[in-house]
Amino acid sequence: DTAVSQTPKYLVTQMGNDKSIKCEQNLGHDTMYWYKQDSKKFLKIMFSYNNKELIINETVPNRFSPKSPDKAHLNLHINSLELGDSAVYFCASSQRLDNEQFFGPGTRLTVL
Amino acid sequence: AQSVTQPDIHITVSEGASLELRCNYSYGATPYLFWYVQSPGQGLQLLLKYFSGDTLVQGIKGFEAEFKRSQSSFNLRKPSVHWSDAAEYFCAVGPFSGGYNKLIFGAGTRLAVHP
Repeated sequence: DTAVSQTPKYLVTQMGNDKSIKCEQNLGHDTMYWYKQDSKKFLKIMFSYNNKELIINETVPNRFSPKSPDKAHLNLHINSLELGDSAVYFCASSQRLDNEQFFGPGTRLTVL
Repeated sequence: AQSVTQPDIHITVSEGASLELRCNYSYGATPYLFWYVQSPGQGLQLLLKYFSGDTLVQGIKGFEAEFKRSQSSFNLRKPSVHWSDAAEYFCAVGPFSGGYNKLIFGAGTRLAVHP
């Protein structure tokens, strides 16, 4: 029944490691997003994919690489993790580029 | 530049009291406007949205919001708050850049409810 799901829910790792967060939506939407929520709860978009094509890349460090194997999935891979990467990462999807977005439950990443 | 301002970082109300959360936006054209709620440890849930038409929109959980173009505002209201409404509330505006729905969020307002 879950519309937008993310795994894992929690991720604790050491600096310098590489990790991935997975996102899947079963809504049949064409567009998917990654947002970062910092410790002050500020939400900012990182990436947007439409029909597996990168649409928005908000000057995110190239250590972050999104990958969309199909329209239902948008994964986020992070290389060489830094302390400042600690945040909650939200995946979202929308039917089209100009529709309301549905959010996943978030992945809390802690870099030690 | 597009922006969203939520002037109140933290609001406390008594259960049963009325609530108004403020949101002001800066955007050159008619915006799409949203209110999301985030309960502790949870994702974001859409409360309501404004795209066009009637400027008073109804949402889930008894919430409503009014779009006032002259004031660039989209304030969220509820006539009687329940303890379960305690959460973080985010106002957002979009789309931009040729229709791409890049939501711009406000900093959020944390609502506490006294019994």
